[in-house]
Amino acid sequence: DAGVIQSPRHEVTEMGQEVTLRCKPISGHNSLFWYRQTMMRGLELLIYFNNNVPIDDSGMPEDRFSAKMPNASFSTLKIQPSEPRDSAVYFCATLFSGSLSDEQYFGPGTRLTVT
Amino acid sequence: SQQGEEDPQALSIQEGENATMNCSYKTSINNLQWYRQNSGRGLVHLILIRSNEREKHSGRLRVTLDTSKKSSSLLITASRAADTASYFCATADQTGANNLFFGTGTRLTVIP
Repeated sequence: DAGVIQSPRHEVTEMGQEVTLRCKPISGHNSLFWYRQTMMRGLELLIYFNNNVPIDDSGMPEDRFSAKMPNASFSTLKIQPSEPRDSAVYFCATLFSGSLSDEQYFGPGTRLTVT
Repeated sequence: SQQGEEDPQALSIQEGENATMNCSYKTSINNLQWYRQNSGRGLVHLILIRSNEREKHSGRLRVTLDTSKKSSSLLITASRAADTASYFCATADQTGANNLFFGTGTRLTVIP
């Protein structure tokens, strides 16, 4: 398996533009997590899905952020409109919730820069 | 916040020495996990210890858990330059939810 796949790896955009980050989980994994990492706040959980259903979105900073998981093999995190303070590395992580291991598998991340 | 705290924030040691990182958390847990992050990369799972376990080993890694003190430690023995990375603890609470709460991380530098 190729692991968790995220795209794009780097994104530079101007303030006010819409940004869409994509994640393809490991095949068979049924839980998916979106994290944001910055120097100031560390690693923050934004939202997570179980069997494509959003379970906890309390970490989503504001209405400009939205996430979807239309099927078991794809999720998006959208920021509209983007702001400079959204600049961060965004990670997607997945796991199989039926396993004995609670290990999360992280993607390589998307480095977002909003100017 | 349920986020854990780790100390030290940064640690610099010579190759061959042991490195110890500590993690404290706030709520009752189901398990505690340690992850490693190389610069510019995603996190990689290292080891998991359940709330009913006190110590676990994996290769050069040794993890302890003290639930009465709500703390854990990660020991890396005979460190190598390739161990240079940030190390995070993460806790899973007892609700059965799959989400983890990550600590602030320790930046380890191993000098060759």
